Amino acid sequence: DVKVTQSSRYLVKRTGEKVFLECVQDMDHENMFWYRQDPGLGLRLIYFSYDVKMKEKGDIPEGYSVSREKKERFSLILESASTNQTSMYLCASSSWHRGYGYTFGSGTRLTVV
Amino acid sequence: EDKVVQSPLSLVVHEGDTVTLNCSYEVTNFRSLLWYKQEKKAPTFLFMLTSSGIEKKSGRLSSILDKKELFSILNITATQTGDSAIYLCAAYPSSGNTGKLIFGQGTTLQVKP
Repeated sequence: DVKVTQSSRYLVKRTGEKVFLECVQDMDHENMFWYRQDPGLGLRLIYFSYDVKMKEKGDIPEGYSVSREKKERFSLILESASTNQTSMYLCASSSWHRGYGYTFGSGTRLTVV
Repeated sequence: EDKVVQSPLSLVVHEGDTVTLNCSYEVTNFRSLLWYKQEKKAPTFLFMLTSSGIEKKSGRLSSILDKKELFSILNITATQTGDSAIYLCAAYPSSGNTGKLIFGQGTTLQVKP
């Protein structure tokens, strides 16, 4: 069963900490995405990557960075966590071979205190 | 700016009711529209619609796209408590090859026994 795996389901961090959210896919997809999901706001794109070492800013990149050193892994980094980054973070991957439909990870609920 | 708007944002019904969820879009070079269902974990794929006027069905769920009026609807008949979820609509523009979907805010459906 193909999947997208996010390393943590729940995470609690302190303000100012550097936070790493990991996402791994086993489908050889070229595209990977990081979204945050907040009530009433839907899914908002933070960053995406369409190839190894390639990255592009989404709609809300401020306070975040990403890394894609290998095709299967896409990491989201919160350089200095703040309380307004408390949210559900969803990773997804896609491929033009599958008509670009996303496969999502289970999400990481991050709380910054 | 490309955007997708869903309505209503939330809905409460009783088992056995029929519901209609709406999704309108303004997307440059529109290619397809996708529906996802999100329960407690990862959003799961329901439908991809590319052609106007052709209904897609899966059990009690069905969806149709109107490319002239720029909207789609998702119907659920004989609702069950297991249909309680967030329903996400997303549009895929054909420009570029990054496969970046544009999501609406989501509709939260609660089905009461």
